[in-house]
Amino acid sequence: GQQLNQSPQSMFIQEGEDVSMNCTSSSIFNTWLWYKQDPGEGPVLLIALYKAGELTSNGRLTAQFGITRKDSFLNISASIPSDVGIYFCAGQSMGGNTDKLIFGTGTRLQVFP
Amino acid sequence: DAGVTQSPTHLIKTRGQQVTLRCSPKSGHDTVSWYQQALGQGPQFIFQYYEEEERQRGNFPDRFSGHQFPNYSSELNVNALLLGDSALYLCASSLDSGAAGVDTQYFGPGTRLTVL
Repeated sequence: GQQLNQSPQSMFIQEGEDVSMNCTSSSIFNTWLWYKQDPGEGPVLLIALYKAGELTSNGRLTAQFGITRKDSFLNISASIPSDVGIYFCAGQSMGGNTDKLIFGTGTRLQVFP
Repeated sequence: DAGVTQSPTHLIKTRGQQVTLRCSPKSGHDTVSWYQQALGQGPQFIFQYYEEEERQRGNFPDRFSGHQFPNYSSELNVNALLLGDSALYLCASSLDSGAAGVDTQYFGPGTRLTVL
């Protein structure tokens, strides 16, 4: 099935460091979303972006909707141990009842104290 | 305010068997989508139900079917199970906003299906 290109695949960082990950697509999306998934759990929505060029923050998290509508990035500042998990981007289109989510391949984040 | 709930949490079946997974949407939501997440992969869209009908379908065979009830809860049925059907099955709910906008999806904890 279709998946978006997400990088990096994994990151091992020290507590307090900043983290950056991005997602690219060959298709245009109307909405970009970022989810975090802990082992054995469902994805939890972190940030939703609805307009090209939009920059949105949620606490230590900042995400941007690329101007071409084909990419997005997520930054986490001053990482803490509870940031550990897998981060997924997801693109969503609109119109014709086509609002299914297309997910990225995931970025696994490990934070060391 | 209850979030999305799914049952059972874990299930073990053998090849050829049939399975039914259940989902109750977040309060106030009317649309249910189902995703399959294989180990180490991102979730893959199976189908979406709205007004008790299948509205969209991903690239999954007819062995995968579903149903939505008048109270908006939903079931996912998989027939003739294969080893490759082993995965985490996720349900997501949303509120249909019509053609005016996209509908943010909120996920349940998933059902872990193991096919032996």
